[in-house]
Amino acid sequence: AQSVTQLDSQVPVFEEAPVELRCNYSSSVSVYLFWYVQYPNQGLQLLLKYLSGSTLVKGINGFEAEFNKSQTSFHLRKPSVHISDTAEYFCAVIRYSGYSTLTFGKGTMLLVSP
Amino acid sequence: KAGVTQTPRYLIKTRGQQVTLSCSPISGHRSVSWYQQTPGQGLQFLFEYFSETQRNKGNFPGRFSGRQFSNSRSEMNVSTLELGDSALYLCASSPSVAGGRDEQYFGPGTRLTVT
Repeated sequence: AQSVTQLDSQVPVFEEAPVELRCNYSSSVSVYLFWYVQYPNQGLQLLLKYLSGSTLVKGINGFEAEFNKSQTSFHLRKPSVHISDTAEYFCAVIRYSGYSTLTFGKGTMLLVSP
Repeated sequence: KAGVTQTPRYLIKTRGQQVTLSCSPISGHRSVSWYQQTPGQGLQFLFEYFSETQRNKGNFPGRFSGRQFSNSRSEMNVSTLELGDSALYLCASSPSVAGGRDEQYFGPGTRLTVT
């Protein structure tokens, strides 16, 4: 079984500051990793994903994440946030093989203030 | 391409009633998954359907059931509603060609309130 831990339930930050949202996972098998964003009253939208290859993954809206296999982490970063980045962010994993399902972390609420 | 649509968007039901939620996947997508989202438990997987067959199932009681039609549209049903069933129910579709590599596209959800 897989599990995902998002270490911060809320991250307050000022506009134009950098931000890092932390994600650690646990799995006995190889997994793919994802970050999703959820704006108020909306569904989830994929920000980025790590399948293989370069451990630094770039996504939409200026976000990027780095896969660290030894630390089983997949932290999300943005060098300069905007008010419009205020949303909830979910880290998720899915098994490499077969047709399994996404396992999500509890989410991190990013609060960007002027 | 139209995105994943879910109907209704909002629903209020009374304890003991039953409810049916509907999901129309992106055209060409054959896999539909359902998730329950609550503040306390976060996002929890309910079940996944592929080509009208339930392929995966989460850890929910039998009151939660679903089905998929030949056009890939899916419905989920919750019988004998309890207050704890109040949640946002999200549907996601994927082409399900490459297994876990496939992106899941989420609908806006149905907000169910049980009173």
